[in-house]
Order: sequence, then structure tokens, then C-alpha cells
Amino acid sequence: AQSVTQLGSHVSVSEGALVLLRCNYSSSVPPYLFWYVQYPNQGLQLLLKYTSAATLVKGINGFEAEFKKSETSFHLTKPSAHMSDAAEYFCAVSDYNAGKSTFGDGTTLTVKP
Amino acid sequence: GAVVSQHPSRVICKSGTSVKIECRSLDFQATTMFWYRQFPKQSLMLMATSNEGSKATYEQGVEKDKFLINHASLTLSTLTVTSAHPEDSSFYICSVLRRNNQETQYFGPGTRLLVL
Repeated sequence: AQSVTQLGSHVSVSEGALVLLRCNYSSSVPPYLFWYVQYPNQGLQLLLKYTSAATLVKGINGFEAEFKKSETSFHLTKPSAHMSDAAEYFCAVSDYNAGKSTFGDGTTLTVKP
Repeated sequence: GAVVSQHPSRVICKSGTSVKIECRSLDFQATTMFWYRQFPKQSLMLMATSNEGSKATYEQGVEKDKFLINHASLTLSTLTVTSAHPEDSSFYICSVLRRNNQETQYFGPGTRLLVL
């Protein structure tokens, strides 16, 4: 069984500030972990993924995430927020391939000018 | 460019009618396609897994006779919502896995269904 908890359904930051979106997972086997972004009325776009290689994963649009097994976490960060980063972000976990993923409830990121 | 398309992007129908949603893999052969449902401000709920040439596998609680899935080819899967009711109104999203890469899921843009 696997599950994902995203801490904070809404996160608001100022433009240029650090973005930190939290994700904790539970999995009975070594997990695959994903972060996706969703803009209104659109599908999901993959930001980055962890598949048991390097624990610090760099993704698109300046985002990165660090896999911490001891903390069962996979938090998403970006050093400097842009207005275009405002969207819904989903963390997901799977145990063998990306398709059978379990998604978190999502975090809405708001970026203030 | 987009690798997965969905058609239509939006559909409004009357209660009791059936609606078909298409999901196409544009750039590669998709051995597996998935159908998700997303309610407003909520996460994605996996409805079913579709493999080309075989019957779809439905998640617990999803009515297979209500949501008919056909994976006719390696690039096309269809979801038919039969005898639609207002509670079926939702955002339906498909995703695909390519034959030689099971680690990345490509999502379609979604279809907004409104049943009146």
C-alpha cells in the first residue's frame, strides 16, 4: 500500500521568494516519486521524478526536490518564485511504474506581486 | 508539443445520454493508458487501466458498465460515459505510458463534462 500527504493545501509566496511545497509518502517498497503541475482546466505536466538514482532531483522551470528516505519526504523547492508558477501542484508515489500512481490532494501555489 | 490529445475538450449533454471521450497518443505507441477523474479542487482518482487489445481493469468502486473503456489500438483509447447523470459531471483526464518507458506518465489536457 502507498499513500501521499501534501502538507498545506494552499501556499502563498511573494514573487522572488523561496517556494517550498511539502510531500510525505508511505510505501512498502522503494518508491518512485513524482511532482506534477496543473494549470486551470489542463492536464498534468511532469516537473520531476525520483526513480532511485540521485536523491536530489532537478526538474523543469527551476524546480528541484530531494528524496529523504529517513524522513519519507520529497519536498519541492524553487529558489525564486515567478508569477507563472501559480498553479496546482501534485505529489505522487508509485511502486513499479508511473501509471499506478497514488496522488496527494494537491497544493495550490499563489504568487503575489 | 503535446504528446497526448483528448477530444472533446468540453462537452455538455443532457441527462440520460451517452458521451464518448477519446484519448490519443500522438508521438508513440502507448501500451497502457489510464483514465482519471478529477472533481473541482480535488486530486485525481484513477478510474481504470487500459491495455491495448484487452479488457480494462477498473478500480474498486468504479462501475464498469457505466464507464466503458475501449483500447482499440496502441494510440487510441475511448471512455464512454453511459446514461450520464449530473453526478457524472467532472474533469476526465487520460494518461499514457510508452512501450519502452514505464517511468514517465504523459497526461492529456482533460475533458470537462457537464451533464444537465
